[in-house]
Amino acid sequence: AQRVTQPEKLLSVFKGAPVELKCNYSYSGSPELFWYVQYSRQRLQLLLRHISRESIKGFTADLNKGETSFHLKKPFAQEEDSAMYYCALSGDNAGNMLTFGGGTRLMVKP
Amino acid sequence: GAVVSQHPSRVICKSGTSVKIECRSLDFQATTMFWYRQFPKKSLMLMATSNEGSKATYEQGVEKDKFLINHASLTLSTLTVTSAHPEDSSFYICSFGGLAGGEQYFGPGTRLTVT
Repeated sequence: AQRVTQPEKLLSVFKGAPVELKCNYSYSGSPELFWYVQYSRQRLQLLLRHISRESIKGFTADLNKGETSFHLKKPFAQEEDSAMYYCALSGDNAGNMLTFGGGTRLMVKP
Repeated sequence: GAVVSQHPSRVICKSGTSVKIECRSLDFQATTMFWYRQFPKKSLMLMATSNEGSKATYEQGVEKDKFLINHASLTLSTLTVTSAHPEDSSFYICSFGGLAGGEQYFGPGTRLTVT
């Protein structure tokens, strides 16, 4: 069975501070990991995926297979980063199906 | 990204009635789509996965006779909540599978309130 855990329900930081949203997973095969974001009153949307190794809106995430983690990081948080962040996993041959973590609400204070 | 619409955006119905929620992809076609339920301040709970032209696959604990899914075409899927009860009140979100594995395009959601 696959599982995604986001240990923090809420993360509050000041503007300009570094941010790390934690995500751990359990899966026996080779997973693909994603971060989805939901801004206030907006739909859920893809932020980034580990295979693309991109930096989106200043966010990066590295897949650490040894620690089974996919933490989302940003060196300097902005107020507009305040949102709900979901880590998600897609397993082998899963097509588009995703297993979501519980989500972390990021609040960036001025 | 692809555009997915849901209609209605919010609906209030009386206990015992049925409610239909539409989910449309406006600018692409997808064979697989998903219906989720989201409780306040909780994560998304996958209800079912459907492929166009096939019966939906429901997650454990989701009553298929209560939550009827019709994936009629590559751009349209409907979720009908039958004989709604107050505990069915929730935020229902659909998504269409993208071209890349694990990629989903989400609708804006429908807030259902059963009185």
